[in-house]
Amino acid sequence: EAQVTQNPRYLITVTGKKLTVTCSQNMNHEYMSWYRQDPGLGLRQIYYSMNVEVTDKGDVPEGYKVSRKEKRNFPLILESPSPNQTSLYFCASSLAASGGMEQYFGPGTRLTVT
Amino acid sequence: TQLLEQSPQFLSIQEGENLTVYCNSSSVFSSLQWYRQEPGEGPVLLVTVVTGGEVKKLKRLTFQFGDARKDSSLHITAAQPGDTGLYLCAGRYNNNDMRFGAGTRLTVKP
Repeated sequence: EAQVTQNPRYLITVTGKKLTVTCSQNMNHEYMSWYRQDPGLGLRQIYYSMNVEVTDKGDVPEGYKVSRKEKRNFPLILESPSPNQTSLYFCASSLAASGGMEQYFGPGTRLTVT
Repeated sequence: TQLLEQSPQFLSIQEGENLTVYCNSSSVFSSLQWYRQEPGEGPVLLVTVVTGGEVKKLKRLTFQFGDARKDSSLHITAAQPGDTGLYLCAGRYNNNDMRFGAGTRLTVKP
């Protein structure tokens, strides 16, 4: 089954404790991205990747890191989480970034930073 | 800065009513997509429009892309409880970046 998986689905952590949210897709997609979703603000792009070893900042990259060492994986790293990073996070992938390509979204990771 | 404005933010209607949701931007987009999101899940694509003035129909849903490619609308005819969800528009204004609206939360009461 074609899908985007994220882990963990729920995470409660404390300020400053490094964490990683994993994202994996099995569709051989080139383009992957991370979004955060907050009430009233919709989905905002954090980082995206056009292909292996190619990453770029989205709208709200501060406090986040990503890597794309393999085509299927695109982990999101919070080196020193802060309470304002409490949010619902989505990973997405598409065949390519151009045109009207459909993005396939993972189920989301709800992160709470206390 | 929210480049896409969606209205209304919330909409609660009775089963069988019609409704229209709007998505407006000050920028021209190369393509615009509508997604639907249910609680606990990620957004799922409904439609992509790429040509100014384009109209697409998906059963009871009609999507329209403005002539100037700066706005779009989603019209639902005879809404059903199963249409309940968060509707998001997303515009791509270059090949790398996609911007989402804040969404319209629709509730259809039986």
